[in-house]
Amino acid sequence: QVQLQESGPGLVKPSQTLSLTCTVSGDSITSGSYYWSWIRQPAGKGLEWIGRINYSGAAKYSPSLKGRVTISVDTSNHQFSLKLNSVTAADTAVYYCARGRPYGSGTRSLDPWGQGILVTVSS
Amino acid sequence: QSVLTQPPSVSAAPGQKVTISCSGSSSNIGNNFVSWYQQFPGTVPKLLIYDNNKRPSGISDRFSASKSGTSATLVIAGLQAGDEADYYCGASDGSLSTNWLFGGGTKVTVL
Repeated sequence: QVQLQESGPGLVKPSQTLSLTCTVSGDSITSGSYYWSWIRQPAGKGLEWIGRINYSGAAKYSPSLKGRVTISVDTSNHQFSLKLNSVTAADTAVYYCARGRPYGSGTRSLDPWGQGILVTVSS
Repeated sequence: QSVLTQPPSVSAAPGQKVTISCSGSSSNIGNNFVSWYQQFPGTVPKLLIYDNNKRPSGISDRFSASKSGTSATLVIAGLQAGDEADYYCGASDGSLSTNWLFGGGTKVTVL
């Protein structure tokens, strides 16, 4: 059964770059042509999709974050990563990684999800 | 602001039924699959419904969903105290469906 686990710093200073990694276990990150996604959730607020990547490295980003976000994949280590630059307090959130089931260029659903990691932007 | 619109909250007594709507457009719900997620406070969102109306293994048949045009609906029948949670709809979006949207979420309260 596939499992995802986020890792990275829990505290990032304003204007710096937030960097997180999601490690996939229980299956190969290259199997099934899945879309590997990042989602975030500020405290007390709803879910926000950040972007996704497939195993070949083709990434798509939320229009609201495009320009600040980069998602990359490391198939040899079964990981995909998120970088969000020029962070502010508004980027403070729990960040989740999730696997997206594909159909064509779209995503059918997101499952499973990682446990999430709280990232706080503060000096 | 979410382009998928959900009511902020719904409530009903135990045993009753609640309906949660998710309204979108032809660029998302109208031409893509809808999924629903259940999230208890402080926990990870869990897939509740996929492909508009299918339940993953282990999900109670008290949860059902449908899609019509550019809207989707989640129904929780026989409401239980343990159903009190936030519920989110989700769907691909965009001309090539390469983006993803979540609804704003609906808090279900059991009276």
